[in-house]
Amino acid sequence: EIVLTQSPGTLSLSPGERATLSCRASQSVDSFYVAWYQQKPGQAPRLVIHGASSRATGIPDRFSGSGSGTDFTLTISRLEPEDFAVYYCQHYGSTLFTFGPGTKVDIK
Amino acid sequence: EVQLVESGGGLVQPGRSLRLSCAASGFIFDDHAMNWVRQAPGKGLEWVSGISWNSGSLAYADAVKGRFTISRDNAKNSVFLQMNSLRAEDTAVYYCVKVYGGRCFDYWGRGTLVTVSS
Repeated sequence: EIVLTQSPGTLSLSPGERATLSCRASQSVDSFYVAWYQQKPGQAPRLVIHGASSRATGIPDRFSGSGSGTDFTLTISRLEPEDFAVYYCQHYGSTLFTFGPGTKVDIK
Repeated sequence: EVQLVESGGGLVQPGRSLRLSCAASGFIFDDHAMNWVRQAPGKGLEWVSGISWNSGSLAYADAVKGRFTISRDNAKNSVFLQMNSLRAEDTAVYYCVKVYGGRCFDYWGRGTLVTVSS
């Protein structure tokens, strides 16, 4: 079973700064099956990136995803106030879905 | 507009049962697999169970295998989660989710809270 690790646990940044979030898989995975979600307090998660690098519908282009093998990255080029949230990476394989523990992006 | 509306949550004693429902609209329901994902209070996301478009393939997380059963009714655009032998650690918000491309979740319901406590 694939285990996903996310770092850092919390990222404290100011609006306008660049955010770089990491997701590491316990073994090499197909990037086609890697996704990222954003969750704000009291809300359901929202799909941000699928296939490691494709933005979901309605997601602004300041969000980008990259990576392959065991290391994946979600980058927010310039943080807007509405981007402060928790971000989860997710993998699908062998009929199972796995989530990482999340990275909280909060306001410095 | 895609909508997923969960119902059936509530307070239940350990060892008892509960059945969650999810009513879907805004897309061709029987074209898509559906899943359930849960989130314990203050914790991260945990995948629970999934069902293929025609109910031919079912999957469960180890934590619920043998206790939970997923099903769907394509005529009623609904998916269900029968939860038996509930434990305190099953306390969570349960989200109904639509599968995109067989590999991630593109739409989420607002969730229904299940609290298992005596």
